[in-house]
Amino acid sequence: AQKVTQAQTEISVVEKEDVTLDCVYETRDTTYYLFWYKQPPSGELVFLIRRNSFDEQNEISGRYSWNFQKSTSSFNFTITASQVVDSAVYFCALTPFTNAGNNRKLIWGLGTSLAVNP
Amino acid sequence: GAGVSQTPSNKVTEKGKYVELRCDPISGHTALYWYRQSLGQGPEFLIYFQGTGAADDSGLPNDRFFAVRPEGSVSTLKIQRTERGDSAVYLCASSRVKTSRVNYEQYFGPGTRLTVT
Repeated sequence: AQKVTQAQTEISVVEKEDVTLDCVYETRDTTYYLFWYKQPPSGELVFLIRRNSFDEQNEISGRYSWNFQKSTSSFNFTITASQVVDSAVYFCALTPFTNAGNNRKLIWGLGTSLAVNP
Repeated sequence: GAGVSQTPSNKVTEKGKYVELRCDPISGHTALYWYRQSLGQGPEFLIYFQGTGAADDSGLPNDRFFAVRPEGSVSTLKIQRTERGDSAVYLCASSRVKTSRVNYEQYFGPGTRLTVT
């Protein structure tokens, strides 16, 4: 079975706080890809990051960082010094890469709603 | 360049009517996906096109739903005999596909909000 779990339904922080959004996934595939998307109040899903299962290096992009740990099947997302504009729903998603390699449909978590208050 | 566009942005229809939702993917993207999203939920996969053909339509909920992509670019999602439970935001996404073992990210359109009264 393939599944993505985002246990945190809602998080509320005060501006400038650091916040970590958790993502745990399940898959039997040895090759897979993980993604994070942001969905601001406007509704459009915005791609943030893609990571393949063979690359466990952490990644930093400005105030955003991602921690991928295969041993715990987790791909957590940290926002440093949060800002009001970071308020959005954040989705973690998984796509396995089967030998057929044709279908890359995304399997989504339920999302974490982040509210950053001034 | 232009992103994924979807029309209309909003559609209100009466129960039992037929609707068409259109998606114009990013130029050059051969893969196209339809998802739908209900309030408070993540997107739910409906159908995937590789070129003109539907490579996976396992997410279509029933035979009232159908999608086409006749020229490998624009796609239309068609819903017959709409029901109130079809109300949702319908999202379209496109991505590059190459022969190498890479799953490229999907880029999403703004969605069409369908309301069935």
